[in-house]
Amino acid sequence: AQKITQTQPGMFVQEKEAVTLDCTYDTSDPSYGLFWYKQPSSGEMIFLIYQGSYDQQNATEGRYSLNFQKARKSANLVISASQLGDSAMYFCAMRESSYAGNMLTFGGGTRLMVKP
Amino acid sequence: GAGVSQSPRYKVAKRGQDVALRCDPISGHVSLFWYQQALGQGPEFLTYFQNEAQLDKSGLPSDRFFAERPEGSVSTLKIQRTQQEDSAVYLCASSLPPGSTDTQYFGPGTRLTVL
Repeated sequence: AQKITQTQPGMFVQEKEAVTLDCTYDTSDPSYGLFWYKQPSSGEMIFLIYQGSYDQQNATEGRYSLNFQKARKSANLVISASQLGDSAMYFCAMRESSYAGNMLTFGGGTRLMVKP
Repeated sequence: GAGVSQSPRYKVAKRGQDVALRCDPISGHVSLFWYQQALGQGPEFLTYFQNEAQLDKSGLPSDRFFAERPEGSVSTLKIQRTQQEDSAVYLCASSLPPGSTDTQYFGPGTRLTVL
């Protein structure tokens, strides 16, 4: 079974509007972390936001917020006031504490395209 | 401060050649990771170092792949006798020791093309 599922291969959003990128995960580990990264065409993975499984509140970082629904095992990324520079691939990733190495498991990504 | 750097950024190899990819982590980051990203897919874990110790190499796809970090800083991923299926972007990431967040910060990657 896929550990991280991103069901939207591509998304369009109008500039200045908000957009939600979906991510569901699968783990039996009680302690885990969820990450979102942005990958522009240049190739570098840019860290956006982190949510710990025991965090009581949803994470926010500037225009990024994470809609964490633990019971549904979803961790959707919300980008408010989209900008043209937000056009990129977005990856959801999970770190499970049962893995001593703390490696990340990534989803397949969503390509976001912001229209002017 | 300086982020993670990788070199070369692009590498073209003929099938059967050996290649070496270098990663300079963020200063003070004891954890270092290598990932492989095939075209159109998410990165996949290859191997993990804590300081100079390679603690997990379960993701290395074959014994042609070898990684080292002899002094606990710079790391090299070596691929021997390259094959076409090795064509991918190789990403290096570093982080602080396992702890509360352990955010991994990535380098720009090395795009390897095997002809």
